[in-house]
Amino acid sequence: QKEVEQDPGPLSVPEGAIVSLNCTYSNSAFQYFMWYRQYSRKGPELLMYTYSSGNKEDGRFTAQVDKSSKYISLFIRDSQPSDSATYLCAAMDSSYKLIFGSGTRLLVRP
Amino acid sequence: EAQVTQNPRYLITVTGKKLTVTCSQNMNHEYMSWYRQDPGLGLRQIYYSMNVEVTDKGDVPEGYKVSRKEKRNFPLILESPSPNQTSLYFCASSPPGWDRVAEEAYNEQFFGPGTRLTVL
Repeated sequence: QKEVEQDPGPLSVPEGAIVSLNCTYSNSAFQYFMWYRQYSRKGPELLMYTYSSGNKEDGRFTAQVDKSSKYISLFIRDSQPSDSATYLCAAMDSSYKLIFGSGTRLLVRP
Repeated sequence: EAQVTQNPRYLITVTGKKLTVTCSQNMNHEYMSWYRQDPGLGLRQIYYSMNVEVTDKGDVPEGYKVSRKEKRNFPLILESPSPNQTSLYFCASSPPGWDRVAEEAYNEQFFGPGTRLTVL
């Protein structure tokens, strides 16, 4: 079992829709959780990070962590075609190492 | 411009021919890392370095070597490449991030543009 699991998609939604991206993890020691966005032919870039449980909002993006169920979510409101990318969740363990999910490909249709 | 650079961006080679992929960052970051990205497997860490002359194995180190003689450079060496090393490789660097609210360290990694390697 991978330490961080993510549905690969693809997920196709119309412009303006609310997008929900999810991951599950197995290691209770994970404290930091991150979402990276990766456009085609580019390296991943950090979108958001959260510490422990709770919500964090940044513009149209909300990251949510539920440590009791080991569930990580990213919500995108008013999705735009420019949001089309692969979204990678990641968790950090005590050794400062990032464990990545396999990524979910998102397509926002105009 | 603050960035992580990798060279070459694309490389096709043959089994057994030694190669080096260079990685350089101009942000004075202490932490550097190499990943490979394969379909369905996501990003897997090959090696990482917490500082100069300090390197450690990641999840998939077999067949790779690294060195960290200077803070800015972290080359990835394939002594005898094999076809199963065909992949997309990313170098990343990060500062020692500190979350003042949580009073915890976190790891924001800045990624290079990637090197697509094909081993025939």
